[in-house]
Amino acid sequence: EVQLQQSGAELGKPGTSVKLSCKVSGYNIRNTYMHWVNQRPGKGLEWIGRIDPANGNTIYAEKFKSKATLTADTSSNTAYMQLSQLKSDDTAIYFCASRGYSSSLFAYWGQGTLVTVSS
Amino acid sequence: DIQMTQSPSSMSASLGDRVTITCQASQDIGNNLIWFQQKPGKSPRPMIYYATNLANGVPSRFSGSRSGSDYSLTISSLESEDMADYHCLQYKQYPPTFGGGTKLELK
Repeated sequence: EVQLQQSGAELGKPGTSVKLSCKVSGYNIRNTYMHWVNQRPGKGLEWIGRIDPANGNTIYAEKFKSKATLTADTSSNTAYMQLSQLKSDDTAIYFCASRGYSSSLFAYWGQGTLVTVSS
Repeated sequence: DIQMTQSPSSMSASLGDRVTITCQASQDIGNNLIWFQQKPGKSPRPMIYYATNLANGVPSRFSGSRSGSDYSLTISSLESEDMADYHCLQYKQYPPTFGGGTKLELK
């Protein structure tokens, strides 16, 4: 069974960074891309970027190029996203998502990590 | 970026109603569109792949269709468990872009 288990809620002060994790079980993360998506309170979904864990190649949405950094550790089957220079506008739930071993994009999602930015 | 204009942003309907939600793409995306259902406090769940294909385990009252650049999700007979937010996503071109979402509530 494929599971994407995300790390717990984060409270970050403005100007600091947080690093979120997404630990995968049920498939080898080297086999497919990992995507990250956010959802601000009461708002829709927004694609942040994706990483190819096999080689570390990344693609970001333009507005997240200086905000998010995606990495992956194939030895622990875990993907990471670091958010830097936190602002109140970064308060959101952040999801990781992948196709797992299926042929269907975004088939599997983590449960989400709430990041709250507050002084 | 490809813009996905989703409508309505919210709607209320009665049990047994036929409900249709639409996304309009600003550029050609072919059938590269996914519909998601999201319940409060939960992650999105894929419902329709490739614009018209039902995902595994999704009830047959859900269907997807396309007319030109307009993509629709239809629930043929609304049930209480269908109350949720619905989102479309195009993945024809990077960056993948979502519609603004539709909140479906019980009348």
